[in-house]
Amino acid sequence: EPEVTQTPSHQVTQMGQEVILRCVPISNHLYFYWYRQILGQKVEFLVSFYNNEISEKSEIFDDQFSVERPDGSNFTLKIRSTKLEDSAMYFCASKTVTDTQYFGPGTRLTVL
Amino acid sequence: AQSVTQPDIHITVSEGASLELRCNYSYGATPYLFWYVQSPGQGLQLLLKYFSGDTLVQGIKGFEAEFKRSQSSFNLRKPSVHWSDAAEYFCAVGTSSNTGKLIFGQGTTLQVKP
Repeated sequence: EPEVTQTPSHQVTQMGQEVILRCVPISNHLYFYWYRQILGQKVEFLVSFYNNEISEKSEIFDDQFSVERPDGSNFTLKIRSTKLEDSAMYFCASKTVTDTQYFGPGTRLTVL
Repeated sequence: AQSVTQPDIHITVSEGASLELRCNYSYGATPYLFWYVQSPGQGLQLLLKYFSGDTLVQGIKGFEAEFKRSQSSFNLRKPSVHWSDAAEYFCAVGTSSNTGKLIFGQGTTLQVKP
């Protein structure tokens, strides 16, 4: 069964450093998402991406964040200058036209 | 504003007992509703979904959920819980916008006693 994959599974970085989280969505999916889950809190929407552009972003998704689909398979989330409060689990998700999103296993980001 | 409330942060049931996890939503239009399960260290796995039609939906692992528009609820049930069901359960509402983003509840942690 096709699945969403994410790398790395765990990323440790120093405050102020740039990180790139990578996702490979399911191959025939058209909509792509990033969510995050701070430890002990709910899963929060960050951004959605369709037709090679951002279709919606949350208040959390400020100028420090960017997304890109550099080729036909990868979908990346970049944080330019990480802050302590960026420490969280980041989930990638994808879907076709129907409204069922399939999630990857997540990347745990730890900012020191 | 759209929101999802899961009133129970933590629930403990005995193996073999029945289970009901509560979910209430606030959404102006017809909602798309989902239940996801997250095992420790794992991603979110879809248990079941409601888009339209029959208000009682069946999912994987023996779970079912009932959509009650009058109560703005979408409670998850299972008649007999197994130890492997111990996990965190998230209710979510999908917006009907083009983006289809999901809004999640706080989650309910299920502990299963032997």
